[in-house]
Amino acid sequence: QQQVKQSPQSLIVQKGGISIINCAYENTAFDYFPWYQQFPGKGPALLIAIRPDVSEKKEGRFTISFNKSAKQFSLHIMDSQPGDSATYFCAARGETSGSRLTFGEGTQLTVNP
Amino acid sequence: EPEVTQTPSHQVTQMGQEVILRCVPISNHLYFYWYRQILGQKVEFLVSFYNNEISEKSEIFDDQFSVERPDGSNFTLKIRSTKLEDSAMYFCASRGDKTRPKLNYGYTFGSGTRLTVV
Repeated sequence: QQQVKQSPQSLIVQKGGISIINCAYENTAFDYFPWYQQFPGKGPALLIAIRPDVSEKKEGRFTISFNKSAKQFSLHIMDSQPGDSATYFCAARGETSGSRLTFGEGTQLTVNP
Repeated sequence: EPEVTQTPSHQVTQMGQEVILRCVPISNHLYFYWYRQILGQKVEFLVSFYNNEISEKSEIFDDQFSVERPDGSNFTLKIRSTKLEDSAMYFCASRGDKTRPKLNYGYTFGSGTRLTVV
């Protein structure tokens, strides 16, 4: 119930392309869904987050799409750049899980120049 | 931009030894966390701390682990008798800016301490 499933495990995209990473959850009490970007040797950094009362949120080249009925959410990176190469984690938090974040397994994104 | 600071960045210790990992959360934050990430795996929750006490802990956080906020600024994680499987990156995080309550969901992570148990 607490799990967040993330796919794909790795993704290779050409510069300028669209990167899409998907996550699915089971716990309907989750009410906050952030995406984190992590570079090697660094901590996760918040990229963008969404609450379930909206279906989409866009910040620059990054968009979260949220499907409450399917219990799925995804990160879209438009015009992907080599500097976007990193590991991306989705996460979820809800009142019944206390204040902990439950993370997905991560996606290693490589953007080729 | 305010940061969560963790020290040391890398700690090597003998199995069975005690280690203390240190963190300085963002000063206005109210909630403090420790997470760990075994190499190549996902980030896992260990413990949350609020109002000077543990508010939640995971099944990973057994009696070998303890947390403390000794002086109102530092937040420490102690592992009493380290095991080989404790080798991981340990991340401290904080959230809940008391001056900006509408942004309470935003977690800020430190850069981590890489713990190697040999």
